[in-house]
Amino acid sequence: QVQLQESGPGLVKPSETLSLTCTVSGGSITNSYWGWIRQPPGKGLEWIGYIYYTGSTNYNPSLKSRVAISVDTSKNQFSLKLSSVTAADTAVYYCARGEGYSYFDYWGQGTLVTVSS
Amino acid sequence: QSALTQPASVSGSPGQSITISCTGTSSDVGSYNLVSWYQQHPGKAPKLMIYEGSKRPSGVSNRFSGSKSGNTASLTISGLQAEDEADYYCCSYAAGSTLVFGGGTKLTVL
Repeated sequence: QVQLQESGPGLVKPSETLSLTCTVSGGSITNSYWGWIRQPPGKGLEWIGYIYYTGSTNYNPSLKSRVAISVDTSKNQFSLKLSSVTAADTAVYYCARGEGYSYFDYWGQGTLVTVSS
Repeated sequence: QSALTQPASVSGSPGQSITISCTGTSSDVGSYNLVSWYQQHPGKAPKLMIYEGSKRPSGVSNRFSGSKSGNTASLTISGLQAEDEADYYCCSYAAGSTLVFGGGTKLTVL
């Protein structure tokens, strides 16, 4: 059973860079897509982007200028960086395994990141 | 890239059937049979219920079914049960190799 666990700071200052890592266990990070999705408090889901284990990426056009997703196959991890954050970036951030290029079948438990000074 | 349109809320009594719609455009729902549906209980991570329009993952009840007509996808839940009360989100593959979610629908079991 594949399991995913997000880790990273729960508090980030405005204008700084949000950095999260997702550790995959119970399976290899190779031969799959891996994605990040976020959910502001009380609101809906928003796709941030995904990465293939080879390093190929696709991002939400609305976030593309501020987002970078990377993968470390040796550690079975992938990471998210979101720069120049504002209060609007406060959300629960989920990592997930993507299949068939269009859906996510395994999800992490999510981690709340608050942007505040 | 605009969010897919879902009703804010739907409700039904135990045993009844309900349908949640998810309306997109010819750039997403209408062009690809790649809509997925997720169930989310409060404080929990989303759970995949339907993928590629109408396929059910192993372990998901056959009371859940998906379909599509034109630019609108639908999730139908038959034989409503109390445990089905949750938020439901649709998601579609879109032009440019992107994904777009719906705004979410709160299902209340009366």
